[in-house]
Amino acid sequence: EAQVTQNPRYLITVTGKKLTVTCSQNMNHEYMSWYRQDPGLGLRQIYYSMNVEVTDKGDVPEGYKVSRKEKRNFPLILESPSPNQTSLYFCASSLIQGAGNTREKLFFGSGTQLSVL
Amino acid sequence: RKEVEQDPGPFNVPEGATVAFNCTYSNSASQSFFWYRQDCRKEPKLLMSVYSSGNEDGRFTAQLNRASQYISLLIRDSKLSDSATYLCVSNAGNNRKLIWGLGTSLAVNP
Repeated sequence: EAQVTQNPRYLITVTGKKLTVTCSQNMNHEYMSWYRQDPGLGLRQIYYSMNVEVTDKGDVPEGYKVSRKEKRNFPLILESPSPNQTSLYFCASSLIQGAGNTREKLFFGSGTQLSVL
Repeated sequence: RKEVEQDPGPFNVPEGATVAFNCTYSNSASQSFFWYRQDCRKEPKLLMSVYSSGNEDGRFTAQLNRASQYISLLIRDSKLSDSATYLCVSNAGNNRKLIWGLGTSLAVNP
């Protein structure tokens, strides 16, 4: 089954304790992205990757790191989480971006609800 | 002004009603437009792509008006299962970045 797998689904942690949220897709997609979603602010892009070893900052990259060593995986790393990073996080992938057609369709993971105490 | 703006609603409609949402975009260079559906605390899922000629998929019709810079979504014969938030998305700029609206909430009541 074609899917984006994101783990964990729920995570409660404390300030400063490094964590990683994993994301994996099995569709051979070139493009992957991380979003956070907060009430009243909508979906905001954290980082994205157009292909292996190519990553770029989105709108809210501060406090986050990513890597794209393999095509299928795009982990999100919080080196020192803070309470303002409490949010609902989504990983997404698409065949390509910028094509201006349905190949831009984004497939989302089921989300990670992160609480930083 | 936000790049993509939507009326947040909520729109409360009875089953069987026809409801329409509009979404305005500010970047005239926008090329691609999409409607995504999101259920509460779940991941967004693509509902429809929006083409220049408009497109229809069952009870759903999407239209693009480039002159006025808005896209619309029409839902006919609303079902209880249509209750969700509908997100408008456009793709614009040199890096073809996706710009998301905040969503329009729809509640279909029995």
